[in-house]
Amino acid sequence: AQKVTQAQTEISVVEKEDVTLDCVYETRDTTYYLFWYKQPPSGELVFLIRRNSFDEQNEISGRYSWNFQKSTSSFNFTITASQVVDSAVYFCALSANSGGYQKVTFGTGTKLQVIP
Amino acid sequence: GAVVSQHPSWVICKSGTSVKIECRSLDFQATTMFWYRQFPKQSLMLMATSNEGSKATYEQGVEKDKFLINHASLTLSTLTVTSAHPEDSSFYICSARGLGKPYGYTFGSGTRLTVV
Repeated sequence: AQKVTQAQTEISVVEKEDVTLDCVYETRDTTYYLFWYKQPPSGELVFLIRRNSFDEQNEISGRYSWNFQKSTSSFNFTITASQVVDSAVYFCALSANSGGYQKVTFGTGTKLQVIP
Repeated sequence: GAVVSQHPSWVICKSGTSVKIECRSLDFQATTMFWYRQFPKQSLMLMATSNEGSKATYEQGVEKDKFLINHASLTLSTLTVTSAHPEDSSFYICSARGLGKPYGYTFGSGTRLTVV
């Protein structure tokens, strides 16, 4: 079984503040991928980042950065200098083998509100 | 990049009628399609997985006779909600995975179904 937990239901920050979204995952698979998606009010899912289980190197891409720690099964996502347009629901997701086939499991989402 | 087109974006139908949602991969061959359902302020729940030319695999608790999935070609999958009821009102999103890209998931823009 695989599971993704996003303990933060809602977060509010003031514009230009940094914000970190937490994600903890569970899987028995040794090969898996982790994702972060953004869902604005319009509903479509916007792909942000993907990381495979063999690459723990943390990177920065523009205002986005992530911290992948296999030892704690965490895949946290940070937005620096937040902007109002960052307001959305953010989903952490895990792609791993479940019941003999690959499927994606989503966390419950974290609603981020950036206040001007 | 990989693009998945989902239609319609929104639909309103009367109770008892059937509604078909289409998901097309525009620039790649989608060997596997996934259908998700999302209730307001909740996460995406996987309904079923379909491989081209095969019967869909439904998640536990999803009625296969109510949610008919067809994946007859490598570029098209359809979800038909039969005898729709108000409780079927939800946001439905498809996702496609291409040949040779086991962890590359592309999402459609979603369909908001309202049953009155």
